[in-house]
Amino acid sequence: TQLLEQSPQFLSIQEGENLTVYCNSSSVFSSLQWYRQEPGEGPVLLVTVVTGGEVKKLKRLTFQFGDARKDSSLHITAAQPGDTGLYLCAGAMEYGNKLVFGAGTILRVKS
Amino acid sequence: DTGVSQDPRHKITKRGQNVTFRCDPISEHNRLYWYRQTLGQGPEFLTYFQNEAQLEKSRLLSDRFSAERPKGSFSTLEIQRTEQGDSAMYLCASSLAPSSEQFFGPGTRLTVL
Repeated sequence: TQLLEQSPQFLSIQEGENLTVYCNSSSVFSSLQWYRQEPGEGPVLLVTVVTGGEVKKLKRLTFQFGDARKDSSLHITAAQPGDTGLYLCAGAMEYGNKLVFGAGTILRVKS
Repeated sequence: DTGVSQDPRHKITKRGQNVTFRCDPISEHNRLYWYRQTLGQGPEFLTYFQNEAQLEKSRLLSDRFSAERPKGSFSTLEIQRTEQGDSAMYLCASSLAPSSEQFFGPGTRLTVL
């Protein structure tokens, strides 16, 4: 059973479209990270959110942490082919401790 | 490059052989983590160290697996008597406690024939 549920599992969109990826759990996390991973490589950290209700922006990417610190979303505006990859959310139940990962969302942006 | 490095990047071995992987964390990071990732899944936690002390091991880490971090710097992960089910990407990450931000290496892809 996955502690963190990500949806959708797969997303194929045209360049310029907007999209949102969701990460949900019944557990409370002290922090949550979003990573992007390319085939054959390790995950690359995009952002860390710590405070319930927190919103962080990274260029065209907007990350939100739920008020209860149980869920998070990643919104991409005007997607580009370079955004293609596997997006993973990961939660830490204790600060500074191991991460629990979702299964990931595979994003494909077609030009 | 001052990121996390792993060696080798790829390893092909026959069932029953022993393999050892190495991870060099970001130099000032005191925590080091090992994860395993299979196709279509997110990484799963195996074990972690703070300095040279191994603080937690997952139930996934059978007695054929052993990890060390002898001087609190690099770490090794050894798998004895490999099985086909051990085939996966083995990822290492490091962090500076108490931060929960973990930075990953490129991984070691293990294939057991």
